[in-house]
Amino acid sequence: AQSVTQLDSQVPVFEEAPVELRCNYSSSVSVYLFWYVQYPNQGLQLLLKYLSGSTLVKGINGFEAEFNKSQTSFHLRKPSVHISDTAEYFCAVTAGGSQGNLIFGKGTKLSVKP
Amino acid sequence: DGGITQSPKYLFRKEGQNVTLSCEQNLNHDAMYWYRQDPGQGLRLIYYSQIVNDFQKGDIAEGYSVSREKKESFPLTVTSAQKNPTAFYLCASSIVGQGGEKLFFGSGTQLSVL
Repeated sequence: AQSVTQLDSQVPVFEEAPVELRCNYSSSVSVYLFWYVQYPNQGLQLLLKYLSGSTLVKGINGFEAEFNKSQTSFHLRKPSVHISDTAEYFCAVTAGGSQGNLIFGKGTKLSVKP
Repeated sequence: DGGITQSPKYLFRKEGQNVTLSCEQNLNHDAMYWYRQDPGQGLRLIYYSQIVNDFQKGDIAEGYSVSREKKESFPLTVTSAQKNPTAFYLCASSIVGQGGEKLFFGSGTQLSVL
């Protein structure tokens, strides 16, 4: 079975500063990894995903993530955040088969301050 | 515009009452999902369906029921057996594949107990 841990429940940061949201996973088989973002009172939308190939994945809104198999991590980064990036971010993992097997982390609330 | 529509946005349940949450999609997706979101707990899968007239239990199906009579619709009933129904409910859809598919989410229904 797979599991995913988001190490920080809240991350406050000042506007234009860099940010890293941490995600570690556990699995005995190869996995697919995802980052989703949720703005207040809304559904989630996909930021980026890793299926295979290059370990550095670029997503929407200037975000990127790096898959590190040896450290079982998939940390999300942005070099300079904006107020509009304030949201909750969810890491998710699946070993495949169907999206019914997707496991979500508990989320990290990113708060960008002026 | 293609997308997923959830209704109502807010719903209140009285003791002993069953309530039904609506989810409709016009993305022509075969797979649909219901998630429950509690603060600080991430998303947990209630039920999912990959084809009309078939559905599978997720991790927390007790106290819930679903139907999938049409490809476009996947309503969720919260029964009186669900003793702690207050939560944010999210519906999602995707194409059917091997697990690397993007989920498209509705904007959610907040259910509260009177």
